[in-house]
Amino acid sequence: DIQMTQSPSTLAASVGDRVTITCRASQSINRWLAWYQQKPGKAPKLLIYKASSLESGVPSRFSGSGSGTEFTLTISSLQPDDFATYYCQQYDSNRTFGQGTKVESK
Amino acid sequence: QITLKESGPTLVKPTQTLTLTCTFSGFSLSTNGVGVGWIRQPPGKALEWLALIYWDDDKRYSPSLKSRLTITKDTSKNQVVLTMTNMDPVDTATYYCAHKGPPGAFDIWGQGTMVTVSS
Repeated sequence: DIQMTQSPSTLAASVGDRVTITCRASQSINRWLAWYQQKPGKAPKLLIYKASSLESGVPSRFSGSGSGTEFTLTISSLQPDDFATYYCQQYDSNRTFGQGTKVESK
Repeated sequence: QITLKESGPTLVKPTQTLTLTCTFSGFSLSTNGVGVGWIRQPPGKALEWLALIYWDDDKRYSPSLKSRLTITKDTSKNQVVLTMTNMDPVDTATYYCAHKGPPGAFDIWGQGTMVTVSS
């Protein structure tokens, strides 16, 4: 199995901050990585696919980068609506999610 | 517009078999590159991928749960069914189905259905 490790598990930030979340794969997944945002009681929402492609309708303050085993999700200027939990997911071999990163208000 | 909706029992007893149905619209599961997956999330915990069925009937399962899972599709009814045997209280979770488009990620999700395992 491919394991996905996210860091940090929790992140305290303020509106306007630049936020970066890291996801590491246990083996190379090329660029087969997606990022999701989930709010309490709601289904996850796709933000980024193929490591850096922005899903239609997602604000441009969200961006993704990386390849191989190291990936990042960056929010350039955190907005009130962005406080949520973020998950990475590999789809190179089957599918695996990371354990999540909760972005909370500082 | 693509939509998916999960249905099934809200409560099952330990050792029973869970059967969940995902009914979808807005796409065909006979279209090249399309798939439907199942993902679950125990209360307060992370997402866990369970299974995925492709347009060509290829099926993939989580290695840790493979022996307990079966995924099937009924293209004419626009439905995907997941069965999970030998349910245990640790299987209590919200179960989601999701659309997989050609890019590969789960781009559209159902609202989820909460399943509790308890005697």
